Amino acid sequence: AQSVTQPDIHITVSEGASLELRCNYSYGATPYLFWYVQSPGQGLQLLLKYFSGDTLVQGIKGFEAEFKRSQSSFNLRKPSVHWSDAAEYFCAVGARGRDDKIIFGKGTRLHILP
Amino acid sequence: NAGVTQTPKFQVLKTGQSMTLQCAQDMNHEYMSWYRQDPGMGLRLIHYSVGAGITDQGEVPNGYNVSRSTTEDFPLRLLSAAPSQTSVYFCASRLSQPATDTQYFGPGTRLTVL
Repeated sequence: AQSVTQPDIHITVSEGASLELRCNYSYGATPYLFWYVQSPGQGLQLLLKYFSGDTLVQGIKGFEAEFKRSQSSFNLRKPSVHWSDAAEYFCAVGARGRDDKIIFGKGTRLHILP
Repeated sequence: NAGVTQTPKFQVLKTGQSMTLQCAQDMNHEYMSWYRQDPGMGLRLIHYSVGAGITDQGEVPNGYNVSRSTTEDFPLRLLSAAPSQTSVYFCASRLSQPATDTQYFGPGTRLTVL
């Protein structure tokens, strides 16, 4: 079964600074990988996804993520954060196979300093 | 399209009561799933369905039942509510089984069990 770890529960960055949120996964083959964002009191919105091909994936809102097979990682990056990026971010891994379940990490809450 | 809808938005139950959380989608999606979200735990998969008449268990199925009699609806039943089931519940759907399809989330149901 697949699993995903987000090592950082909280991250605080200053507005305009760069951001990297870490995600490590465990899966026996090449997984499907996702990043979702959840604003306070809201549902989840897909930022980006990786299935195959180019390991650097571009998403919405200026986010990107890089799949590194050797490190079992899929870290999310943004060159310059905005106050509106304050939210909780979830990494998720999907299995390839009979049921294609998607399993989520515990999330990283991003705080932005003005 | 209304997307994925969930009712009710809020619910308070007493221990031992039963209730059904409703989930509907109007996108003709085959694949539907239920997650619960608890602080510090991320989203955990409760049950999922790959199509009408087919359901299966996720990570935390105990205490919950599901059925899928139509493509549109995927209700989640709590037969005897317990305080441990206090959570925010999200329903999600995607077009078909492969996790490559974008998964859409409903707005959530906040359930409190006293």
